[in-house]
Amino acid sequence: KQEVTQIPAALSVPEGENLVLNCSFTDSAIYNLQWFRQDPGKGLTSLLLIQSSQREQTSGRLNASLDKSSGRSTLYIAASQPGDSATYLCAVTSGGYQKVTFGIGTKLQVIP
Amino acid sequence: DGGITQSPKYLFRKEGQNVTLSCEQNLNHDAMYWYRQDPGQGLRLIYYSQIVNDFQKGDIAEGYSVSREKKESFPLTVTSAQKNPTAFYLCASSWGTGDEQFFGPGTRLTVL
Repeated sequence: KQEVTQIPAALSVPEGENLVLNCSFTDSAIYNLQWFRQDPGKGLTSLLLIQSSQREQTSGRLNASLDKSSGRSTLYIAASQPGDSATYLCAVTSGGYQKVTFGIGTKLQVIP
Repeated sequence: DGGITQSPKYLFRKEGQNVTLSCEQNLNHDAMYWYRQDPGQGLRLIYYSQIVNDFQKGDIAEGYSVSREKKESFPLTVTSAQKNPTAFYLCASSWGTGDEQFFGPGTRLTVL
């Protein structure tokens, strides 16, 4: 059974700082890994999707990396802004039925 | 604008009532999903559909029912058999299972 863990559960940083969010998964036989952002009381917004054959994906100030062999992914946010404050979720697709398993998320607060 | 809509945003249910949550997408996606989100837990899959007139149970299907009569619509009924229905419900869609998922804004259901 795939399990996804995100550490830390919460993170507070001053504006302008570069930061890294971590995601680990127990079964390395994955199809892809997706990072989402969720604002309070809202749905999930897709940020980046990394296919199992890829090592990283970039979008603007975001860079996600994938190391399947160690069961880890990181989301790097450069030059953080108060508008980046949200919960960031990691989701892994794996298994014969391509099931998606979500982490609980990391709640990020960027302080002006 | 292409996207996924969910209605209503807030829903209140009395004990013993069935309620139906609406999910509509105009992305022409084949696959649609229903998730439940509770505080401190990752998203859990209730039902998913890979194609019109077909759907499969997820991890927590008991007390829920769905239909998929049209490609763009995937309504979820929360029946009186669901003992703890108070939660945030999220609908998602993708081109196929295992592909990037896109989410609606969610419906918050509260049992009175």
